[in-house]
Amino acid sequence: DVKVTQSSRYLVKRTGEKVFLECVQDMDHENMFWYRQDPGLGLRLIYFSYDVKMKEKGDIPEGYSVSREKKERFSLILESASTNQTSMYLCASSKSGGNQPQHFGDGTRLSIL
Amino acid sequence: GNSVTQMEGPVTLSEEAFLTINCTYTATGYPSLFWYVQYPGEGLQLLLKATKADDKGSNKGFEATYRKETTSFHLEKGSVQVSDSAVYFCALSDNYTGFQKLVFGTGTRLLVSP
Repeated sequence: DVKVTQSSRYLVKRTGEKVFLECVQDMDHENMFWYRQDPGLGLRLIYFSYDVKMKEKGDIPEGYSVSREKKERFSLILESASTNQTSMYLCASSKSGGNQPQHFGDGTRLSIL
Repeated sequence: GNSVTQMEGPVTLSEEAFLTINCTYTATGYPSLFWYVQYPGEGLQLLLKATKADDKGSNKGFEATYRKETTSFHLEKGSVQVSDSAVYFCALSDNYTGFQKLVFGTGTRLLVSP
């Protein structure tokens, strides 16, 4: 089975801190994604990557950056955390090609105080 | 742009009742359609998918048929169980982008009581 592992289930940080969320997948998938999930808004795509060192902005990239130095690892960075970034963050991965499903981690619930 | 609209929740049912969760979409091209399920405290899991018009996806007793004429992909189950209580997300994938980006609906919470 595909395993997507997010480094923390719960995280509490302070306004202005630099925050790193880590995601690792073990199935050699080319594509990796970061979403945030908020009540009433569903999942919104922040950034995605289709190869090592490659990244593309999603629908809501402002205030975030990403890093993909190795194929299995995709990091989400909040450069200067703000309270409106309190949310559930979900990482996903998929193989390249058509109609490939995305496989999700269990999520990180991030609170910015 | 592409979008997915789901019925508002929560949907509250008794065990063994019939379930329908409505999903309609707006898209250019010919997207693939998916249903994902999120159990409490977990990430999303793929429940079923359909890749072209009139395809029926099915899994664990759930079914959905890709209806191009009504741009719909409604999720159905004949007899729900308490263990089906979860949030269900409808999503579409634009095959032309080449990157398998998914557009999700807002999710529908299902509560099944014994």
